[in-house]
Amino acid sequence: QVHLEESGGGLVKPGGSLRLSCAASGFTFSDHFMSWIRQAPGKGLEWVAYISRSGDSRHYADSVTGRFTISRDNAKNSLDLQMDTLRVDDTAIYYCATGEGTLTHWGQGTLVIVSS
Amino acid sequence: EIVMTQSPATLSVSPGERVTLSCRASQSVKRSLVWYQQKPGQAPRLLIYDASTRATGVPARFSGSGSGTEFILTISSLQSEDFAVYYCQQYNSWPPPWTFGQGTKVDFK
Repeated sequence: QVHLEESGGGLVKPGGSLRLSCAASGFTFSDHFMSWIRQAPGKGLEWVAYISRSGDSRHYADSVTGRFTISRDNAKNSLDLQMDTLRVDDTAIYYCATGEGTLTHWGQGTLVIVSS
Repeated sequence: EIVMTQSPATLSVSPGERVTLSCRASQSVKRSLVWYQQKPGQAPRLLIYDASTRATGVPARFSGSGSGTEFILTISSLQSEDFAVYYCQQYNSWPPPWTFGQGTKVDFK
């Protein structure tokens, strides 16, 4: 069955960088649009970034545009999120999910804490 | 950006009760509306897409309705495993952002 597993979270200082990864299995990864969504502690959900099946189309939330980069490697069934110039308000659980609009399958998330 | 507003913020109910959750969009999203369920410590789970289509494996007690700016998620007879937070999300915008409501928490009366 579909399995998504995020990794790469941790504690980072403001202004620092972190790279998240999402390993996909149980489905044909290259057939699926992918997204990153985040959830600040005790808060609601925020869509962060989207990438098309081939990777030629990418879109970002205004809050992360210019700082985050989404990418994928269909040969490795992997989705990444490069996060630069991190801010305290980027602290959240980051989820990867399949789908374009409708987010069908979700990973369990990885926690990113931005703090000095 | 389309703003999604859910009401109420919290709903206290007893098992067996009928539950109605509301989601309103700041402009028409046609039927491009999804509902998710999230339990503590878990990732969200897709319940309903295209406003009224149940996702695979979702019990029939969950139903969605609405179009345009007004949407409803109904749980016909609440079960103990249904206590959770429910989010709506629109995906009519292209390009994104796809925006979520702030969530409705269904808890035990």
